[in-house]
Amino acid sequence: AQTVTQSQPEMSVQEAETVTLSCTYDTSESDYYLFWYKQPPSRQMILVIRQEAYKQQNATENRFSVNFQKAAKSFSLKISDSQLGDAAMYFCAYRSFNTGTASKLTFGTGTRLQVTL
Amino acid sequence: GAVVSQHPSWVICKSGTSVKIECRSLDFQATTMFWYRQFPKQSLMLMATSNEGSKATYEQGVEKDKFLINHASLTLSTLTVTSAHPEDSSFYICSASQGFTDTQYFGPGTRLTVL
Repeated sequence: AQTVTQSQPEMSVQEAETVTLSCTYDTSESDYYLFWYKQPPSRQMILVIRQEAYKQQNATENRFSVNFQKAAKSFSLKISDSQLGDAAMYFCAYRSFNTGTASKLTFGTGTRLQVTL
Repeated sequence: GAVVSQHPSWVICKSGTSVKIECRSLDFQATTMFWYRQFPKQSLMLMATSNEGSKATYEQGVEKDKFLINHASLTLSTLTVTSAHPEDSSFYICSASQGFTDTQYFGPGTRLTVL
């Protein structure tokens, strides 16, 4: 079974600064997807970024980018030019590429990000 | 695009009653829908996976007779909490994906309080 670990329960960053959230995972599969989801106080889960394991290039979405290290099974999220609206709970998630099983997501325990002025 | 809605957003009910929560994909056809439960300050726990027109697949430890899931169309799935008790109070979130392996898009969640 796959596991996802987020070792930072809480992080804090000043507005306009850069912050990196850590995520490691354990799997025996070679093909899979990794995601970062954001859950603001409204509790609406929002997809931030997605990475396919077979792609060597790190995914980027505007101010959000990942550092995907497949051999190390690490998938960190970097938020540049942090904004007050980035304050939220961030969940790292894993999904198997195996089309024979439902595309279930395995979530980490989350990192609460505070953004200060 | 990829908007998922849930109704109601908040429901309070008496112990012993049943509550139905709806999950709709508004701008795409959802072949697969998922139901999660989230306790305060915790991660999401998958309860079940449903495919349109077939029976839901429940995760280990989730009572099928208590949490009835119906995925009658490509845009609607419902979760019915039967004979609700205070311990069923939680935040329930659905998600939907177009294909079996596609990205999941989440609804805004439903807060259930059982008195």
